Amino acid sequence: AQSVAQPEDQVNVAEGNPLTVKCTYSVSGNPYLFWYVQYPNRGLQFLLKYITGDNLVKGSYGFEAEFNKSQTSFHLKKPSALVSDSALYFCAVRSYGNNRLAFGKGNQVVVIP
Amino acid sequence: EAGVVQSPRYKIIEKKQPVAFWCNPISGHNTLYWYLQNLGQGPELLIRYENEEAVDDSQLPKDRFSAERLKGVDSTLKIQPAELGDSAVYLCASSLGYLAGDNEQFFGPGTRLTVL
Repeated sequence: AQSVAQPEDQVNVAEGNPLTVKCTYSVSGNPYLFWYVQYPNRGLQFLLKYITGDNLVKGSYGFEAEFNKSQTSFHLKKPSALVSDSALYFCAVRSYGNNRLAFGKGNQVVVIP
Repeated sequence: EAGVVQSPRYKIIEKKQPVAFWCNPISGHNTLYWYLQNLGQGPELLIRYENEEAVDDSQLPKDRFSAERLKGVDSTLKIQPAELGDSAVYLCASSLGYLAGDNEQFFGPGTRLTVL
């Protein structure tokens, strides 16, 4: 079985400060990891993915994530948060050969001006 | 390029009534997904199509839910009859499929269903 844990319900950060959204995963075999963002009344938008290669992955809107195999983590980061980054963030995982994505419950990010 | 299109965006019905949702995926995407998203939760897969074939429908409640993708392009998800617990957002997504080496899914805006 594959699963994702996003331990924090809400992350509050001041504008301009670094933002981190945590994600740990459980999967058999090599993981494919994804981050999506969801704005109110909108569908999920793809931010970045890790498939193979460099553990540091860069994505849209200045976001990046670091794959850590030993800690089974894939935390999302942004060096300087913007108010417009306030949204719901989902981490997802699937294993090679399995097209079903397992999503976490999501983290609400609130960037305070 | 147009994204995934869903309609309607909002639907309010009374329990025991039927309801249908429509999805048009991104052109060229052979894989189509229907997800259920409850408030405060991540999406949960209901059914996945590869072209017109439903290849993963193990989580679709088949007593009341049905789906079709007759020509391998757009798709319809139906609930009959609807129950109060079906109130949720129904998301459609599409992708090229993992065999194409491009793995991310592209989501539509969703249909918010309220059952009274």
